Amino acid sequence: EAQVTQNPRYLITVTGKKLTVTCSQNMNHEYMSWYRQDPGLGLRQIYYSMNVEVTDKGDVPEGYKVSRKEKRNFPLILESPSPNQTSLYFCASSEAFDRARYEQYFGPGTRLTVT
Amino acid sequence: SQQGEEDPQALSIQEGENATMNCSYKTSINNLQWYRQNSGRGLVHLILIRSNEREKHSGRLRVTLDTSKKSSSLLITASRAADTASYFCATDLTDSWGKLQFGAGTQVVVTP
Repeated sequence: EAQVTQNPRYLITVTGKKLTVTCSQNMNHEYMSWYRQDPGLGLRQIYYSMNVEVTDKGDVPEGYKVSRKEKRNFPLILESPSPNQTSLYFCASSEAFDRARYEQYFGPGTRLTVT
Repeated sequence: SQQGEEDPQALSIQEGENATMNCSYKTSINNLQWYRQNSGRGLVHLILIRSNEREKHSGRLRVTLDTSKKSSSLLITASRAADTASYFCATDLTDSWGKLQFGAGTQVVVTP
């Protein structure tokens, strides 16, 4: 089954404790992206990756890191989480960042609480 | 500020009625997409409309795009309770390769 998986689905952590949220897709997609969703703000893009070893900042990259060493995986790293990073996080992928085909497939989300 | 803004923020209708929501954006786009989200779950892609298209259909969904007004609308005809969800528009900007910007969404409730 074609899917995007995220782990963990729920995480409660404390300020400053490094964490990684994993994202994996089994569709051989070139493009992957991370978003955070906060009430009233919709989804905001954190980082995206056009392909292996190619990453770039979205609209809200501060406090986050990503890496793309393999095509299928795109982990999101919070080196020193703070309470304002409490949010619902989504990973997404698409076949290619091509103007003609662009549908994004979303993971189930990771609800992160930083106390 | 956000690129895409949906209107209304919330919409409550009865089964069988049509639901219309609008999306306005500020700068030039390559395409615009609509997504649906059921209560905190991942988003599901509904329709993509390119900047040179004016209307697209998919089942009970109809999307229009007016680039002169920088706006799009999503119409759900003959709504069902299962259409209860939040709907988001997302824009692919011509001057921001790789970025997709989402609006805050329209929450639709369809009552039996």
